[in-house]
Amino acid sequence: GENVEQHPSTLSVQEGDSAVIKCTYSDSASNYFPWYKQELGKRPQLIIDIRSNVGEKKDQRIAVTLNKTAKHFSLHITETQPEDSAVYFCAASMYAGNMLTFGGGTRLMVKP
Amino acid sequence: GAVVSQHPSRVICKSGTSVKIECRSLDFQATTMFWYRQFPKQSLMLMATSNEGSKATYEQGVEKDKFLINHASLTLSTLTVTSAHPEDSSFYICSARDTTTSYEQYFGPGTRLTVT
Repeated sequence: GENVEQHPSTLSVQEGDSAVIKCTYSDSASNYFPWYKQELGKRPQLIIDIRSNVGEKKDQRIAVTLNKTAKHFSLHITETQPEDSAVYFCAASMYAGNMLTFGGGTRLMVKP
Repeated sequence: GAVVSQHPSRVICKSGTSVKIECRSLDFQATTMFWYRQFPKQSLMLMATSNEGSKATYEQGVEKDKFLINHASLTLSTLTVTSAHPEDSSFYICSARDTTTSYEQYFGPGTRLTVT
């Protein structure tokens, strides 16, 4: 089955700096890669996703890149703000709406 | 966006009792729902895929007789934790797939189960 590794497990940045979280996956059949933000005790919230036919996608301060050959994808957050502090999860799936295999999560702390 | 609800949001039960958790898609039909479990400070792990009108598909290591799943309608799936033990204490989150419009997956708010 699919295995998703995520690094780092914790990340502390100063407000205004950029944050980068990286994930690798094992199953070449995976074609859908969403990123979720989860606050304590709450449901995961989809913040951005990318499909395998695209190498990069951007939405305001958030961008995701995908290297299908190397089987890795990354989340980039620019101009970080304290409200970006949360746990971020990457995930992989064969297609949108299918079962998700999650990475281990990254606790992002943005210091004011 | 589409709304998925879970009930209850929190439940405390004694060891040996059973607990039922409901997952509802409020404004769309979901032929498929997924059940995930999340231990404190850990990731979400898929437990099973719930299919309307048929038996659930369980992931390796998940006991189907302990975690009973029933998907009796296009808007409701239930997870029953039978003979609960303290190690079953966890955050249980469902998600539902909207197959009629976008094939997106929407998460419920989660149920915090504490077994004493």
